[in-house]
Formats: sequence, structure tokens, C-alpha cells
Amino acid sequence: GDSVTQMEGPVTLSEEAFLTINCTYTATGYPSLFWYVQYPGEGLQLLLKATKADDKGSNKGFEATYRKETTSFHLEKGSVQVSDSAVYFCALSEVTSGSRLTFGEGTQLTVNP
Amino acid sequence: GAVVSQHPSWVICKSGTSVKIECRSLDFQATTMFWYRQFPKQSLMLMATSNEGSKATYEQGVEKDKFLINHASLTLSTLTVTSAHPEDSSFYICSASVLGRVSNEQFFGPGTRLTVL
Repeated sequence: GDSVTQMEGPVTLSEEAFLTINCTYTATGYPSLFWYVQYPGEGLQLLLKATKADDKGSNKGFEATYRKETTSFHLEKGSVQVSDSAVYFCALSEVTSGSRLTFGEGTQLTVNP
Repeated sequence: GAVVSQHPSWVICKSGTSVKIECRSLDFQATTMFWYRQFPKQSLMLMATSNEGSKATYEQGVEKDKFLINHASLTLSTLTVTSAHPEDSSFYICSASVLGRVSNEQFFGPGTRLTVL
């Protein structure tokens, strides 16, 4: 079955540091890939997505590239801010599963001033 | 666009009572709605998938008689936790997928914090 594996957290960085959160996946078909962000006490917000190989999703300075050859979708940001502190979830969805999302474990990011 | 609301945002109830949580897609019609449960510092656990006008499909291990799901329209799904007990205390999140969207994107509600005393 489908699965998503994220790098273990928590991750603590200083403001303006470079961020990478690794995400790899296993899927039977050609999934769409997503990064969601969850701020404390809130639901999930879509951060970015990619629907096919070599697509790059980007939003608010975050980027992730759909790498089919390495089955990866790593999240990166060149310069993090305190306001980026949140939990980040990598996820995939296959058409054959009826839009069902498979989530990674989540990575807690804390950015210190 | 693609806003999903949940009501209430938090609820405290006594053990043995039932609690209903509403999930609404405010500006779009949702083909499918999903209900998740999230424990502290953990990922989301899919409880059930709900299509308008049909019975919900529950994930393995989720009691359908305990967690009643009704999906009466393309914009509303409800989750009723029946005879709630303290172990049902959790953060419940719904999401909706958009009719006709190619990327299967789900839009999430803000969540409902349930505390059972």
C-alpha cells in the first residue's frame, strides 16, 4: 500500500537558517504530492503541491520538487522565520484511492529568534 | 475559495452524552468529505470517508455505531460521537475534496477539540 515517510523531528533552527524536511513515499501509481502545515490548535493548511514528476511546488518561500526517480518530495526554505514554527505534514493522494490522503508522521519545526 | 468550516470549534461534555460536529464546505460543492482524528503530537488518523447521499466508509478499527456520519448534502457532513467517554477526547478534523478537481486536493476545516469529562 501507499506510505509516506518524513524525517524525524523535532527540528529547531535559528531565524534565517536554511530548512530541509525530507519526505519519501511509496505508491503503486502516480500520486499527487502535498505539503500541509498545521499551526498550534488549528486544522491543516495546504502549503504546496505537485501533481507530476519534476513539478516544483512553491509558496511563501517554501519549495518542493516531485522526484520520481528517488520517490521524494523534500521541503526546503532558504531563510526561515519565527512565524514558520508549526508542524509540517507530507502527504500523497492517488486517483485510484478516491482522493484519500496518506500522511507522513509530521515534523515539528521551531524557529528561534 | 475552497473554505471548510467546522462547528463547534471546541466542546466539553459529560461522559455518556452524544456530541455532534458539523463540517461545511462554504463556497464549493464537495464530492467527498473525510473525518480525521488527531492525538497530541501525532499525525492525522483517517476515520471515515463520506460521500453525499451514501453510507460512509469506515477505516478498520473505527466503530461505525460509535462514530455516526451523515452526509446529507454536497456541503454538509456531520460526525456524531455517541455515548462519549474520556478516551474519545481528541482533535477531530474534517476535510473536503472538490468536485472535478484533478489533483485530488483536500481542504481542511479548522478542527474541533472534544473533551469528555
